[in-house]
Amino acid sequence: GAGVSQSPSNKVTEKGKDVELRCDPISGHTALYWYRQSLGQGLEFLIYFQGNSAPDKSGLPSDRFSAERTGGSVSTLTIQRTQQEDSAVYLCASGGGNYNEQFFGPGTRLTVL
Amino acid sequence: KNQVEQSPQSLIILEGKNCTLQCNYTVSPFSNLRWYKQDTGRGPVSLTIMTFSENTKSNGRYTATLDADTKQSSLHITASQLSDSASYICVVSGVSGTYKYIFGTGTRLKVLA
Repeated sequence: GAGVSQSPSNKVTEKGKDVELRCDPISGHTALYWYRQSLGQGLEFLIYFQGNSAPDKSGLPSDRFSAERTGGSVSTLTIQRTQQEDSAVYLCASGGGNYNEQFFGPGTRLTVL
Repeated sequence: KNQVEQSPQSLIILEGKNCTLQCNYTVSPFSNLRWYKQDTGRGPVSLTIMTFSENTKSNGRYTATLDADTKQSSLHITASQLSDSASYICVVSGVSGTYKYIFGTGTRLKVLA
């Protein structure tokens, strides 16, 4: 498929454990975003990658959150020592073309028990 | 503070009826406004993108309007179908070329047979 894919689709973990969420962007897209969507809330910006430039990490809520993008393609969002308030849907989007349009993946639903 | 507010929060209509969703924003400067459709368990999908110079844009049965003076937008859905049941999210971008977007919390639409 040509769309953005994310894995896993669902992740249940225990408080205090680390989790890794993966995003495969659309081939050729230089921009990649991570967002968090909590119930009843708008999408919350987490981090932005653009080509080889330094990422904008200004949206990461704490130092337990980190992300990397290897080879300008696949990205991994890591949450260390998960807390219950981390429970949310984590959405990845890649961007390109006019207006830097964003194409979203299906998201990973994270549940921290 | 840059904000995007949507109304109503939720809406129930009968199949075949029309409806209009509202979006008010305070983002300034303004570059473009997007409407997304988000099906349950899926990532948002772009419906329309409008710049400040456009006041209407259609995509099939979806028609978006924009009044940049009053900072209001609407999404009109004509002859609704069961598949229109989803959340509709208004997203505003500030300075042209920025990758920072302000997301509304969405309107949850339910179309009943």
